[in-house]
Amino acid sequence: QSALTQPASVSGSPGQSITLSCTGPSSDVGDYNHVSWYQQSPGKAPKLIIYDVTKRPSGISNRFSGSKSGNTASLTISGLQAEDEADYFCSSYTTSSTLVFGGGTKLSVL
Amino acid sequence: EVQLVESGGGLVKPGGSLRLSCAASGFTFSRFYMTWVRQAPGKGLEWVSSINYNSNYIYYADSVKGRFTISRDNARSSLFLRVSGLRAEDTAVYYCARDVSLDSWGQGTLVTVSS
Repeated sequence: QSALTQPASVSGSPGQSITLSCTGPSSDVGDYNHVSWYQQSPGKAPKLIIYDVTKRPSGISNRFSGSKSGNTASLTISGLQAEDEADYFCSSYTTSSTLVFGGGTKLSVL
Repeated sequence: EVQLVESGGGLVKPGGSLRLSCAASGFTFSRFYMTWVRQAPGKGLEWVSSINYNSNYIYYADSVKGRFTISRDNARSSLFLRVSGLRAEDTAVYYCARDVSLDSWGQGTLVTVSS
């Protein structure tokens, strides 16, 4: 149950677009379309922002979008805003019917 | 509105046990796969265990297998996690979450393992 690989930190300026990556083995990210992304602000519970690679839950801004290529899933945030500053985690369903998370990316909005 | 409320955390000595609970409301609990996720202080998220709607399928992370037991009571819309043989590295906030996509989360309950 190895963790998915995410960059530790990413930064961007207001209005910019940034992309966060999440890389895993072919048996997880590569084989399944059950990749999700979560946003976590300090002291709060995580919040689902993308599921099944590209789908947005009701109420989530369309500035958030997801994609996948091979073993790497990506989260793109367009029109970066100060409120987007948070930790972002990816997860994937696995061939063992378990879940695995990435180590998380800290997004700073400069 | 979907609500998940965890309880049962606390300070426990190494080797000790606790029973964590998650009270669900605002949805038909018996229709959903449920999951426990934990987060050690200042660290990332770690999947702990999942259970399907009728308890026929149960899964555990290798790090807790044999020590933790997940269960549910659909009549009471409640999810449980019995944590035993606790170690310092089990210190974390424990969250319950709904479905495979973890589309709703509780606020978490803190388990601290220390002598």
